Amino acid sequence: DGGITQSPKYLFRKEGQNVTLSCEQNLNHDAMYWYRQDPGQGLRLIYYSQIVNDFQKGDIAEGYSVSREKKESFPLTVTSAQKNPTAFYLCASSTQGSHTQYFGPGTRLTVL
Amino acid sequence: KQEVTQIPAALSVPEGENLVLNCSFTDSAIYNLQWFRQDPGKGLTSLLLIQSSQREQTSGRLNASLDKSSGRSTLYIAASQPGDSATYLCAAPGAGNMLTFGGGTRLMVKP
Repeated sequence: DGGITQSPKYLFRKEGQNVTLSCEQNLNHDAMYWYRQDPGQGLRLIYYSQIVNDFQKGDIAEGYSVSREKKESFPLTVTSAQKNPTAFYLCASSTQGSHTQYFGPGTRLTVL
Repeated sequence: KQEVTQIPAALSVPEGENLVLNCSFTDSAIYNLQWFRQDPGKGLTSLLLIQSSQREQTSGRLNASLDKSSGRSTLYIAASQPGDSATYLCAAPGAGNMLTFGGGTRLMVKP
């Protein structure tokens, strides 16, 4: 089955902790993206990567970090510097230059 | 900077009604616009992608139109069904060719 997987589905974090959200794709896509979605709102771009070992900040990158060591994987770390991290996080991928993005099922992060 | 707005934010209709969801965008220099569906707690599924050279795109009971000059797109759903209940988001390319999303319209179709 080709697609994008995200894990875990639900994640709870204590204040002051860093957490890492996983995103894996087997679609052979070059580009990958991380979005944040707050209740009743659209998606906001956190980071994106168009090729291995390269990534760019999106609109709301502060308090987040990413890596892209493999084409298939684009993990997102939510650091303790992120002031309001409770949200739904979505990962997506696409072929280079395409606007057709394929989305994972999402991870809901809650800070206790 | 591209801004995308969707009206209404929520909509409740009885089953069988035809309905229209609206999307407006500020930067009309786009070459496509997309509509997505999102079920509660799930990721997004692409419904329709309209190229700027097209005025309409159809898939089953869904029809999307694009009017670049007025900065508007509409998603028409014919003969709505309870299974259509979901949030519908539109997205237009913005800075750096990244997608800019609207806030979505939450649709409830009552049996």
